[in-house]
Amino acid sequence: DGGITQSPKYLFRKEGQNVTLSCEQNLNHDAMYWYRQDPGQGLRLIYYSQIVNDFQKGDIAEGYSVSREKKESFPLTVTSAQKNPTAFYLCASSIAAALSGNTIYFGEGSWLTVV
Amino acid sequence: EDQVTQSPEALRLQEGESSSLNCSYTVSGLRGLFWYRQDPGKGPEFLFTLYSAGEEKEKERLKATLTKKESFLHITAPKPEDSATYLCAVRLLQGAQKLVFGQGTRLTINP
Repeated sequence: DGGITQSPKYLFRKEGQNVTLSCEQNLNHDAMYWYRQDPGQGLRLIYYSQIVNDFQKGDIAEGYSVSREKKESFPLTVTSAQKNPTAFYLCASSIAAALSGNTIYFGEGSWLTVV
Repeated sequence: EDQVTQSPEALRLQEGESSSLNCSYTVSGLRGLFWYRQDPGKGPEFLFTLYSAGEEKEKERLKATLTKKESFLHITAPKPEDSATYLCAVRLLQGAQKLVFGQGTRLTINP
């Protein structure tokens, strides 16, 4: 089946640890995104990538890092510098970031909890 | 500042009771307006894209409309399986790489 696969579904992080969330898509989409969702707030953009080996910061990039070495993959690392990482993380993709009105499709999400 | 506001925050209806959800936006330029459905613990599922004022899209019991200031998601004769959070998002003319989301409307349909 074509789609966006995020793993793991649930992840627990200890204070001071870095953790990496995986995102893979087989839709042949050029653009990929990471959003964060907190209760009572809209989705907020962390990072996005329009093409392999290139990515840009979104609205809340501090404490996060990404890489885009392959078209299909866009992993997100939550570093120890992120002070409040407990949230629901959503990976998304679209045909091309800059074209008018291209729909952004989402994965099933990953829950990260700090323990 | 670009802003998207959804109302109401939560809505509880009886099965078969039609209603509308509102998404108002204040943005510098609109490239497209998107509606998504999100079930608890899941990623948003794409429903509709609207591009210009006057446009309408329909899918089963849902109909989305767009004006220059707001969009409505009309739900006709809803069923319990329509219970979900409905998210509205706009894609801007400037910085078209991202969507600006509203906080969502949590819809509950009682049997």
